[in-house]
Amino acid sequence: DADVTQTPRNRITKTGKRIMLECSQTKGHDRMYWYRQDPGLGLRLIYYSFDVKDINKGEISDGYSVSRQAQAKFSLSLESAIPNQTALYFCATSDFTQGNTGELFFGEGSRLTVL
Amino acid sequence: AQSVTQPDIHITVSEGASLELRCNYSYGATPYLFWYVQSPGQGLQLLLKYFSGDTLVQGIKGFEAEFKRSQSSFNLRKPSVHWSDAAEYFCAVGAGGGGFKTIFGAGTRLFVKA
Repeated sequence: DADVTQTPRNRITKTGKRIMLECSQTKGHDRMYWYRQDPGLGLRLIYYSFDVKDINKGEISDGYSVSRQAQAKFSLSLESAIPNQTALYFCATSDFTQGNTGELFFGEGSRLTVL
Repeated sequence: AQSVTQPDIHITVSEGASLELRCNYSYGATPYLFWYVQSPGQGLQLLLKYFSGDTLVQGIKGFEAEFKRSQSSFNLRKPSVHWSDAAEYFCAVGAGGGGFKTIFGAGTRLFVKA
């Protein structure tokens, strides 16, 4: 089983719908992240969390919200999806204690299409 | 401003040929440097990283990268490419202290021809 699991892997929805992407990890890492990947733009940080009580906005948080339900779970919500939120979304984790290099461990991605 | 530039959007090489993917960065402090690979339908996997010591670092799958501070570069190399290396490669720079400070380049897609 993957260490970082994202569900759903693929989702097609309509404009205005609420969407939740879920992430769970078995790595025991304290830090979790949500990134968005668009062609030609690389990965951009949406939100990150250092622990269940510490959630921070990233570079492109507008239109998104997150919830850290437990150390191992971090979900991303789009309250009212719009077409330009069509993208590939990645959850990632990192371990503060392992030399603190910032190495990231990624899930396999959730492809979201908003019609 | 902090940034990472990967000048090549895509590169095509023949199987067995050598490979070099370019990466230039702009970062005010001593950087932590990473190369990640994304195979089709997969998440990103770390190939190698540099944060101190020997400027030539070895990674998985036969890849290596060289940190050149004077050129602000961290180019990825492989002496002989295999068809399974076809993927997208991302250079990233961070400050340590957590992945939230990591900045990714736009990526270079590698095509391998037989």
